[in-house]
Amino acid sequence: EAGVVQSPRYKIIEKKQPVAFWCNPISGHNTLYWYLQNLGQGPELLIRYENEEAVDDSQLPKDRFSAERLKGVDSTLKIQPAELGDSAVYLCASSASGQETQYFGPGTRLLVL
Amino acid sequence: RKEVEQDPGPFNVPEGATVAFNCTYSNSASQSFFWYRQDCRKEPKLLMSVYSSGNEDGRFTAQLNRASQYISLLIRDSKLSDSATYLCVVNFRTGRRALTFGSGTRLQVQP
Repeated sequence: EAGVVQSPRYKIIEKKQPVAFWCNPISGHNTLYWYLQNLGQGPELLIRYENEEAVDDSQLPKDRFSAERLKGVDSTLKIQPAELGDSAVYLCASSASGQETQYFGPGTRLLVL
Repeated sequence: RKEVEQDPGPFNVPEGATVAFNCTYSNSASQSFFWYRQDCRKEPKLLMSVYSSGNEDGRFTAQLNRASQYISLLIRDSKLSDSATYLCVVNFRTGRRALTFGSGTRLQVQP
């Protein structure tokens, strides 16, 4: 079974530029999560989707961050414009309906210069 | 105060040693508990769930003390391959089916 797929794996951009990350969850997993992980910290939730509905986006900085999961499968997370402090690893995870175990993708490592 | 707190370590132990990690959480209404393992520059992976009665999986034993809001992980007979960061994870009973992670405890097992 294929795991959670994320792309790109690495991204280097200059501040004020836009950037987008893509995630394809495990097939059949209805719940999709985007996390941010800073160095030396645990992952922090940005947004959670149940199918195509964003059911928890309270931690998403909506002035510059946006996300979508239009068909309830893959998802895109966007930052516009990026700031130096956005440098981090962006992790996508998915879980099956009613299950707590989350499966993480390899993450996108973002560096903003 | 963080919702989930862990000693960051690092814990440097020789092969074969027994090592224990502790974690405290702030919300007494917390629902479920886990330990995740994260290798350097890799994604977190579920190590084991933590049950109220305590549970064991091979060399790993997890304990939960709800009264003290405390979770522990014991690793016996440490292997070099156990070197990783161990993340204490709590699912708070707030309607959010998302996980709250501690900052992790780094373990380095030395030959």
